[in-house]
Amino acid sequence: ETGVTQSPTHLIKTRGQQVTLRCSSQSGHNTVSWYQQALGQGPQFIFQYYREEENGRGNFPPRFSGLQFPNYSSELNVNALELDDSALYLCASSFSGPNYHYTFGSGTRLTVV
Amino acid sequence: SQELEQSPQSLIVQEGKNLTINCTSSKTLYGLYWYKQKYGEGLIFLMMLQKGGEEKSHEKITAKLDEKKQQSSLHITASQPSHAGIYLCGADRSNTGKLIFGQGTTLQVKP
Repeated sequence: ETGVTQSPTHLIKTRGQQVTLRCSSQSGHNTVSWYQQALGQGPQFIFQYYREEENGRGNFPPRFSGLQFPNYSSELNVNALELDDSALYLCASSFSGPNYHYTFGSGTRLTVV
Repeated sequence: SQELEQSPQSLIVQEGKNLTINCTSSKTLYGLYWYKQKYGEGLIFLMMLQKGGEEKSHEKITAKLDEKKQQSSLHITASQPSHAGIYLCGADRSNTGKLIFGQGTTLQVKP
């Protein structure tokens, strides 16, 4: 089975720009979550998508938005980038239901300068 | 303050020694997950605990969840350099799959 793949692996953007990060879920998974991990911290939940609908959101402003596609791949979009948005962005997918854990991708390292 | 507290924050042990990492929540958890992360990389799933008093083992790693489902421990027996990394506990407090994480414990194993 294929795992969770994220692209790109690294990205450098300028403050004020917009960025799109992509995630391909593990085969058979219908739920995807996005996390932001600042250096030296644990991941922080951004939002979750289930069957193409947003299914919960963490404490992140509206300039963080997402999409989930019919094939369960996903995008994270961030507008008006700020320096504090520099972080590792992790995508995790799962099959919805009890006893299923989340499989994480390797992440996208975003640097905002 | 962190909703999930991990201790210690960092740990250096000699190869072959045993060690324990703790994860504590002030609220009852629906599920508790342990992940391992190499610096700057994705999270590797280790174990998931859902029932009070549950204990699971894989190779030399054992994880336990207390009866109240508020505290978990991860124990590594006879540590090896391959065990080095950052260990993260994650909790699902509402059975929604939205995980909150501790700040992580960095483990170094000296050969």
